[in-house]
Amino acid sequence: GQNIDQPTEMTATEGAIVQINCTYQTSGFNGLFWYQQHAGEAPTFLSYNVLDGLEEKGRFSSFLSRSKGYSYLLLKELQMKDSASYLCAPMDSNYQLIWGAGTKLIIKP
Amino acid sequence: ETGVTQTPRHLVMGMTNKKSLKCEQHLGHNAMYWYKQSAKKPLELMFVYSLEERVENNSVPSRFSPECPNSSHLFLHLHTLQPEDSALYLCASSPRTGSGANVLTFGAGSRLTVL
Repeated sequence: GQNIDQPTEMTATEGAIVQINCTYQTSGFNGLFWYQQHAGEAPTFLSYNVLDGLEEKGRFSSFLSRSKGYSYLLLKELQMKDSASYLCAPMDSNYQLIWGAGTKLIIKP
Repeated sequence: ETGVTQTPRHLVMGMTNKKSLKCEQHLGHNAMYWYKQSAKKPLELMFVYSLEERVENNSVPSRFSPECPNSSHLFLHLHTLQPEDSALYLCASSPRTGSGANVLTFGAGSRLTVL
């Protein structure tokens, strides 16, 4: 079956760095997405990785290892506004997104 | 604003009521989606429309009935719902279906409570 595993909740300090891990098992693979969702708001697109390696986009970076079925989202210089849920979603061979339950990130001053 | 607008944002209904959720996108996308989001659970894909044609129906109970009159509008008609249907219903759109880098743009959702 298809399965996504990411931590339920993480806590970090303002100004620090946090890494949110995601492991996945899918039928085929066509890339992996990360979305951010603030409470009561729409999920918004953060990143898409289809090749192995690190993609950097400002304070946020996303890493993919296809052979290990593993991705992480790295957030640097944390700000209070980064408090949100982070959703990992690989895409299977039918181009269907398989969603994780999300990681709630709490930033403390 | 994401370019995808959902109304109403909040809805409370009894089990015998009939109501509809509306979604409108201003992005020129060709695909639209309904998702159900329950607390601490993954997003559940309900329906997918591509160029107004339904291409996905993930074993959703018939008390949920989608309608896509054109590529900019999507409805979810609700009737005789159950309390376990209480959830956040998210609409999304994307440029197309069936390709890799196909980014979904979501609306803010309609919070449904069934009494």
